[in-house]
Amino acid sequence: QQQVKQSPQSLIVQKGGISIINCAYENTAFDYFPWYQQFPGKGPALLIAIRPDVSEKKEGRFTISFNKSAKQFSLHIMDSQPGDSATYFCAASYRGAQKLVFGQGTRLTINP
Amino acid sequence: SQTIHQWPATLVQPVGSPLSLECTVEGTSNPNLYWYRQAAGRGLQLLFYSVGIGQISSEVPQNLSASRPQDRQFILSSKKLLLSDSGFYLCAWSAGQDEKLFFGSGTQLSVL
Repeated sequence: QQQVKQSPQSLIVQKGGISIINCAYENTAFDYFPWYQQFPGKGPALLIAIRPDVSEKKEGRFTISFNKSAKQFSLHIMDSQPGDSATYFCAASYRGAQKLVFGQGTRLTINP
Repeated sequence: SQTIHQWPATLVQPVGSPLSLECTVEGTSNPNLYWYRQAAGRGLQLLFYSVGIGQISSEVPQNLSASRPQDRQFILSSKKLLLSDSGFYLCAWSAGQDEKLFFGSGTQLSVL
């Protein structure tokens, strides 16, 4: 019940295309859903996050779509660029970062 | 602004040798501190977290231990490394009940 399932494991998108990464969770107590971006050899960095009181949040080319009834959320990267090539992790938590549960990650490659 | 320092960046150790990885946070007081491990191509596994000096919570049984001798210092140790201890170790911090997690740049540990 504490798991966050992320798919796909890897994704290849052409430059200018839309990248979509999906996550599903079971614990309805989760109330914070962040996405982290990790470049090779670096630590993950917070990219964007959403709470369940909204269905969508957009920051630049990055959008989180949230479906509370389906217990799913997804990251959309519009106009994907080679610089977006990285590993992306979804996560979920309640009551603080100590309870943050990560997905297994998606390795995204944007072909020029 | 807050910064997190983690060292060394890479480390090659023989099996059976001791380990000490250090992490320090600047620009904040009483942070929550975390040690994560990331196996190659895998997700993020929480190893330890600390909400204060001398307070350590272990998430999984293993060959490692953690200590927090000062407010903004977190140390990951082992008395005798195993091959299975190889991986990318990440220190992170959060503030109070805030869910935002900030990662260091990581240590790539190879046990040979």
